[in-house]
Amino acid sequence: QKEVEQDPGPLSVPEGAIVSLNCTYSNSAFQYFMWYRQYSRKGPELLMYTYSSGNKEDGRFTAQVDKSSKYISLFIRDSQPSDSATYLCAMSGIHSSASKIIFGSGTRLSIRP
Amino acid sequence: GAGVSQSPSNKVTEKGKDVELRCDPISGHTALYWYRQSLGQGLEFLIYFQGNSAPDKSGLPSDRFSAERTGGSVSTLTIQRTQQEDSAVYLCASSSSHLRDRLGNTIYFGEGSWLTVV
Repeated sequence: QKEVEQDPGPLSVPEGAIVSLNCTYSNSAFQYFMWYRQYSRKGPELLMYTYSSGNKEDGRFTAQVDKSSKYISLFIRDSQPSDSATYLCAMSGIHSSASKIIFGSGTRLSIRP
Repeated sequence: GAGVSQSPSNKVTEKGKDVELRCDPISGHTALYWYRQSLGQGLEFLIYFQGNSAPDKSGLPSDRFSAERTGGSVSTLTIQRTQQEDSAVYLCASSSSHLRDRLGNTIYFGEGSWLTVV
């Protein structure tokens, strides 16, 4: 079993729709949760960052973490064609020199005009 | 520098040849990562450097792969006797991993080195 599971998609929705992207994980030591966006032929860029449980909102994007269920989500409101990309969740454990980031496999998202 | 810099951005090599990929992390970042991403796949962890500690090499797929980091800054990933299955994007990333940095373990990626083995 992978430490982080993410549905690879592809996910196609019409412009203006609300998008929900999700990841599940198995390691209860994870405390830092991130979402990265990767456009075609580019490196991933950090989109959202959350520590421990709860919600975080940034413009049209909301990240949710439910540590009791080991489940994280990214919501995109009023989706735009420019949001079309691959979205990768990522997480890591306690802040130590031995920690490393574990990534999901990414969900490919397409927003239809 | 302003961001993570990788070179070459594209490399086509013949099967059996050795290749070197270079990464210049963000200035002051103590942690450096190499990942591999095959077409349509997620990120595969290869190796992690943190300060002067021994690197975590647990993700290197075979002994043909090696990496070093000189002076705690620039890193080189070397692939010996390349095979066609080594064709992928090799992504370097760095992070501050500093307790006072609220972004903590968040990492910043370069644009990648696109390797094609023919």
